[in-house]
Amino acid sequence: EVQLVESGGGLVQPGGSLRLSCAASGFTFSAYAMHWVRQAPGKGLEYVSAIDSNGHSTYYANSVKGRFTISRDDSKNALYLQMGSLRAEDMAVYYCARGIQLWLFDSWGQGTLVTVSS
Amino acid sequence: DIQMTQSPSTLSASVGDRVTITCRASQSISDWLAWYQQTPGKAPKLLIYKASTLESGVPSRFSGSGSGTEFTLTISSLQPDDFATYYCQQYHSYSTFGQGTKLDIK
Repeated sequence: EVQLVESGGGLVQPGGSLRLSCAASGFTFSAYAMHWVRQAPGKGLEYVSAIDSNGHSTYYANSVKGRFTISRDDSKNALYLQMGSLRAEDMAVYYCARGIQLWLFDSWGQGTLVTVSS
Repeated sequence: DIQMTQSPSTLSASVGDRVTITCRASQSISDWLAWYQQTPGKAPKLLIYKASTLESGVPSRFSGSGSGTEFTLTISSLQPDDFATYYCQQYHSYSTFGQGTKLDIK
């Protein structure tokens, strides 16, 4: 069974940094692109970032470009999102998702909440 | 960037009703369109991809159609578990989600 478990969320001050992790199991992690999608409280889904199966290509939404960095460690079956210069508008539940056909998401984690507040 | 617009934003219906949700793309995306269902506090769940292909395990009362810029999700006979928020997603060029359609009980 595919499992994705996010962690690392919490309260951070504006301008601060946070690193999210996603632990994957139940599938060959290294064979899949992986993604981060977020959802602000009471709002819709917003695409954040992607990394291909090789870890060589990454993509960022304009809203996070230059502030967030996606990475993966296939030896640990783990996906990461390093978030910096955090703003109030970054406050959201962050989901990791497995990508099939690159940008189609067939499995999602339960999400981790990031709160940006002073 | 490709924009996705869903309508309506909210839909009230009863168990047994047939409902349709529409999704429009700002430019042609062929049939690279997916639908997700999300219940409160849970992660989204993939229902349909390639505009009309049902994900494994999804009940046959769900169906999708369309190509180019106009797409629909139809639920033929609403069941209690179907009251949720539905999102369309284009994956023709990176990824964009629609703003969501909340389906609630009339």
